[in-house]
Amino acid sequence: DAGVIQSPRHEVTEMGQEVTLRCKPISGHDYLFWYRQTMMRGLELLIYFNNNVPIDDSGMPEDRFSAKMPNASFSTLKIQPSEPRDSAVYFCASRNRGLETQYFGPGTRLLVL
Amino acid sequence: QKEVEQDPGPLSVPEGAIVSLNCTYSNSAFQYFMWYRQYSRKGPELLMYTYSSGNKEDGRFTAQVDKSSKYISLFIRDSQPSDSATYLCAMSGSGSARQLTFGSGTQLTVLP
Repeated sequence: DAGVIQSPRHEVTEMGQEVTLRCKPISGHDYLFWYRQTMMRGLELLIYFNNNVPIDDSGMPEDRFSAKMPNASFSTLKIQPSEPRDSAVYFCASRNRGLETQYFGPGTRLLVL
Repeated sequence: QKEVEQDPGPLSVPEGAIVSLNCTYSNSAFQYFMWYRQYSRKGPELLMYTYSSGNKEDGRFTAQVDKSSKYISLFIRDSQPSDSATYLCAMSGSGSARQLTFGSGTQLTVLP
């Protein structure tokens, strides 16, 4: 299995631009999680989906952030408009109900200038 | 106060040393305890998983959970330079999603 796939791996953009991060979970996994990692705040859960349905988005910092999962093999995290404080590494993780924990992708390193 | 507290280090040890990494937590609902290893510029990867209290051993790694003290530990025996990474403890309750709450991570360097 290829594991969780994320794209792009790196993104540099200017303040005010729209940013879209993409994730392909491991086939057969029914939970998908989006995290943000910074030096100051560590690894924070932003939102998670179960069977493509958003269950808990309480970690999404602002309305500028939105996430979708149109099908079982694809999810997006969008930031519009982006701000410098959004600079972080964004991870996607997936899990199957029969497994005890989550498997992480390689992350997208976002820099907003 | 954070739900999970972890000493960020950095921790530097000579090759062959025994390493002890620890986390404390405040939420008594946590039942699943994990250690993730994260190499520089990579995603976290699961290293050890333990349910409830007790010990679990896997090669050079031993995970311990003391629920009465709300304290978990990871021991690395005969540490190697390849063990140099950030180690994150993570915990979850019994909900079906098993949402993880992470510690801040301990940066470990094993010197050859």
